[in-house]
Amino acid sequence: GENVEQHPSTLSVQEGDSAVIKCTYSDSASNYFPWYKQELGKRPQLIIDIRSNVGEKKDQRIAVTLNKTAKHFSLHITETQPEDSAVYFCAAATSGTYKYIFGTGTRLKVLA
Amino acid sequence: KAGVTQTPRYLIKTRGQQVTLSCSPISGHRSVSWYQQTPGQGLQFLFEYFSETQRNKGNFPGRFSGRQFSNSRSEMNVSTLELGDSALYLCASSSDTGQHNYGYTFGSGTRLTVV
Repeated sequence: GENVEQHPSTLSVQEGDSAVIKCTYSDSASNYFPWYKQELGKRPQLIIDIRSNVGEKKDQRIAVTLNKTAKHFSLHITETQPEDSAVYFCAAATSGTYKYIFGTGTRLKVLA
Repeated sequence: KAGVTQTPRYLIKTRGQQVTLSCSPISGHRSVSWYQQTPGQGLQFLFEYFSETQRNKGNFPGRFSGRQFSNSRSEMNVSTLELGDSALYLCASSSDTGQHNYGYTFGSGTRLTVV
């Protein structure tokens, strides 16, 4: 069935370092890949997304890369700050549907 | 612009009871989806509605149902509650052009506790 694997489950980095979270999807029809950030006690918020017609997308300190052949996509956060501490979820979906398959989440801790 | 509004924020119910949760999407959004979030299972898709029609359904038992009204507001119902239904239920809305996905905007959720 459809599945998204996400690694690592927890990640601790020093402030200013980079963080990378990786996801693998199983459904080859997936062509939309959003990333959500969920702070403790708050709603998930969309931080960046990528469609399968591009290999990389950047937004300030955040970037996402996609390898369609390997069915991998990754979130890269540079120059991490304490406010980046949160749980990050990747997801995969097929254009035209709103059934997102989420990864199990990565708890990122940025140590000051 | 108001966000996605879910009511109530917290609920405590007894096993065997039923519960109805409500969601008002962002104005103009016609797609409304529901997710169950638990520490063990993460975010699990329940169903998605568009223009009062269920377009997608996840792998939940028939005790979980939903509907959408003509103003795009949506409700989900869980009958015969079980302890395992305790979770944060998140509603999300999206602007659907029919061509591409646009990211969800989530509500703050309803925390359901079944005792």
